[in-house]
Amino acid sequence: GAGVSQSPRYKVTKRGQDVTLRCDPISSHATLYWYQQALGQGPEFLTYFNYEAQPDKSGLPSDRFSAERPEGSISTLTIQRTEQRDSAMYRCASSWRQGEETQYFGPGTRLLVL
Amino acid sequence: EDQVTQSPEALRLQEGESSSLNCSYTVSGLRGLFWYRQDPGKGPEFLFTLYSAGEEKEKERLKATLTKKESFLHITAPKPEDSATYLCAVTGARSNYQLIWGAGTKLIIKP
Repeated sequence: GAGVSQSPRYKVTKRGQDVTLRCDPISSHATLYWYQQALGQGPEFLTYFNYEAQPDKSGLPSDRFSAERPEGSISTLTIQRTEQRDSAMYRCASSWRQGEETQYFGPGTRLLVL
Repeated sequence: EDQVTQSPEALRLQEGESSSLNCSYTVSGLRGLFWYRQDPGKGPEFLFTLYSAGEEKEKERLKATLTKKESFLHITAPKPEDSATYLCAVTGARSNYQLIWGAGTKLIIKP
């Protein structure tokens, strides 16, 4: 696509529910990143993919968080048994390849856990 | 530990009043320093990449410079549409291409 897209843009859920966020990167981009961004802060790294491989998931806050990119294009971030502290903006970015550090960001998904 | 600190947290300027934003960094083996602009409700938008001390890049009213310890984003004769949060990030030899981000400087340009 022309840019990085994310869905949904807003998600409200109840504590304990599972949520899945979706990212559709720029079509020619091999590398995809997931970030969590708190209000007034810079993005915090969660995990990244090179095509379908996931070399680094060190930023995922707990084992309730997981991400997939099974065909090397669209990616999903799943949060199981959501907690109120999971409320944040989740951003996806993509770059042409690993080592090409210019990252292009999507609009984000605002998650609110009640 | 790789770290990025931006100052000031917020800056209010009159239209046409030039100023500079600071990004101080500590990183092992700098690979690149990045400036992004972020408008409310939107994702960060790429502005510049700087790779080595002494390098400068310009785009319209913005000019980014780099030393071994910090980067400056100079804004010349700003306009209200330059109002945004400006984010700085670095990547280094240990970061496996992860970007280490600062908290940003919120710039407000008053007409």
